[in-house]
Amino acid sequence: DSGVTQTPKHLITATGQRVTLRCSPRSGDLSVYWYQQSLDQGLQFLIQYYNGEERAKGNILERFSAQQFPDLHSELNLSSLELGDSALYFCASSVGGTHSEKLFFGSGTQLSVL
Amino acid sequence: KNEVEQSPQNLTAQEEEFITINCSYSVGISALHWLQQHPGGGIVSLFMLSSGKKKHGRLIATINIQEKHSSLHITASHPRDSAVYICAVSLRRNTDKLIFGTGTRLQVFP
Repeated sequence: DSGVTQTPKHLITATGQRVTLRCSPRSGDLSVYWYQQSLDQGLQFLIQYYNGEERAKGNILERFSAQQFPDLHSELNLSSLELGDSALYFCASSVGGTHSEKLFFGSGTQLSVL
Repeated sequence: KNEVEQSPQNLTAQEEEFITINCSYSVGISALHWLQQHPGGGIVSLFMLSSGKKKHGRLIATINIQEKHSSLHITASHPRDSAVYICAVSLRRNTDKLIFGTGTRLQVFP
């Protein structure tokens, strides 16, 4: 058990809808990272938050947004969903603010857009 | 060309075999990660390296910064090692971005 909690584990929705994925980091970790894993693109870094502030952006679409709350949990919001957004979404956490340290991954949210 | 290349893409081994998975990258990095993903999806961080060599149980990871190459070795492989192994690099110019390889699918048979 990594100590990182992601909910829900599975989500099925329709095109055009909006969903929210939730991530609770390990106790004491200040950074939360979001990643997307799809069959055609593999794993991609989306966005990072550190202690409530956005720290880095990767290949995140404009239809997607995220935030980190004062209790350090994070939410990834996906809107105007398309079939191609179907993927496994992971979050990870770390103590500090960079990818140059050990990462602890959640078990992922499988999103299916029908 | 991908910035992070892994080889082989697929690997089949018999139990107890010594296994090597390779990762080459074309960018300056501050760190390299080896990740393991079992069927069912969960990702586990195995190693984070910036130089030299690390060992954990039957797993050994090495990195050669000058040659931009890393290897993951599994000694005395076991069927429970069957998983996808993913190499990922943290860019030196921006340590807040991680670039992933496409993974090596390993199957170990009894």
